[in-house]
Amino acid sequence: GDSVTQMEGPVTLSEEAFLTINCTYTATGYPSLFWYVQYPGEGLQLLLKATKADDKGSNKGFEATYRKETTSFHLEKGSVQVSDSAVYFCALDNYGGSQGNLIFGKGTKLSVKP
Amino acid sequence: DSGVTQTPKHLITATGQRVTLRCSPRSGDLSVYWYQQSLDQGLQFLIHYYNGEERAKGNILERFSAQQFPDLHSELNLSSLELGDSALYFCASSEGATNEKLFFGSGTQLSVL
Repeated sequence: GDSVTQMEGPVTLSEEAFLTINCTYTATGYPSLFWYVQYPGEGLQLLLKATKADDKGSNKGFEATYRKETTSFHLEKGSVQVSDSAVYFCALDNYGGSQGNLIFGKGTKLSVKP
Repeated sequence: DSGVTQTPKHLITATGQRVTLRCSPRSGDLSVYWYQQSLDQGLQFLIHYYNGEERAKGNILERFSAQQFPDLHSELNLSSLELGDSALYFCASSEGATNEKLFFGSGTQLSVL
């Protein structure tokens, strides 16, 4: 079945460091890919998404490119801030949104130190 | 604030009991989704309702049931609770029938003792 694999955390970085969180997926067809972020004590929020190969999603300085050849959707940010400390989830939808369910990775916790 | 309201925030109960979790979606959203988040399984999709009708079902146990009412709020009923049901239960909503952008509530933490 469809699945998402994320790098295990936690990831600890200093402020202004470069961030990469790896995400790879297994799916038939052409899924849409998402990154959600969960700040402490809150629900998940959509960070960015991409719906087809070579699309780049971006938001708040974060970027991820849909790479079909490597089945990847790695999250990157050039300079992290303490406020970026959160858990990041990679997810896919392989039903064109019609079935409602997203398949999530297990999440990667990011801690940014001042 | 996502606009999705879940109550209660915390729930402590005993094995064998039955509980009801409540979710009010964002104003205007017709879809409600339920997810279970546990340390070992991660985030698992349970069920999706759109405008009162069940739309999709995921890894939802037979002991669990849900419904969406005419005012669009939703309830998730968990019965014959087991220790392994302890988890964070999230509700999310979206405007239409697709999951292009989900808005999550802050969850109900269920502890089964």
